[in-house]
Amino acid sequence: AQSVAQPEDQVNVAEGNPLTVKCTYSVSGNPYLFWYVQYPNRGLQFLLKYITGDNLVKGSYGFEAEFNKSQTSFHLKKPSALVSDSALYFCAVRDGYGGATNKLIFGTGTLLAVQP
Amino acid sequence: GAGVSQSPRYKVAKRGQDVALRCDPISGHVSLFWYQQALGQGPEFLTYFQNEAQLDKSGLPSDRFFAERPEGSVSTLKIQRTQQEDSAVYLCASSLGDSSGNTIYFGEGSWLTVV
Repeated sequence: AQSVAQPEDQVNVAEGNPLTVKCTYSVSGNPYLFWYVQYPNRGLQFLLKYITGDNLVKGSYGFEAEFNKSQTSFHLKKPSALVSDSALYFCAVRDGYGGATNKLIFGTGTLLAVQP
Repeated sequence: GAGVSQSPRYKVAKRGQDVALRCDPISGHVSLFWYQQALGQGPEFLTYFQNEAQLDKSGLPSDRFFAERPEGSVSTLKIQRTQQEDSAVYLCASSLGDSSGNTIYFGEGSWLTVV
């Protein structure tokens, strides 16, 4: 069965510093990995995804994520955090074997707080 | 429309009432998903449609929950005899195809409070 773990409930970082939000996954087949961001009282906004190819994926708003197959991880990173990055971040996985359904399985979320 | 549209955005229901939540996916998107997100939690899968066919309803928590997409476009999630534990945000999402690599785009959600 697919699963995603986000080990940190909250990450605190000062504005201008680099940030990392951790994610590890478990799937039967090839992993298709996604990051979403959720601002208060809003839906989920797509940030980036890994399907195949280069292990470093670049996405919206300066975010990037690194796929590491041996560690089954897909950590979200940004070189310089902004106060406006403060939000709830979700990692999600789909099993590449698919089948009748290709549902996304989400982690529990990590609250990112960027202090000015 | 430009994105996934959901209505109503906010709904307060008395316990025992029936509610219907509507989702208008991105035009041309074949796949449609419903998720339930409780406060402080990640979204949990409810059901999946490919066009008008409901291919997976394994996440529906009880037989009080019912979803349909009769013409392969707009979808409705219906909850009968609402209970307090049904209070959550109901997220609709769509994607262009059924490939695992397709990005799934989410709506703003319908916030249901059962009192």
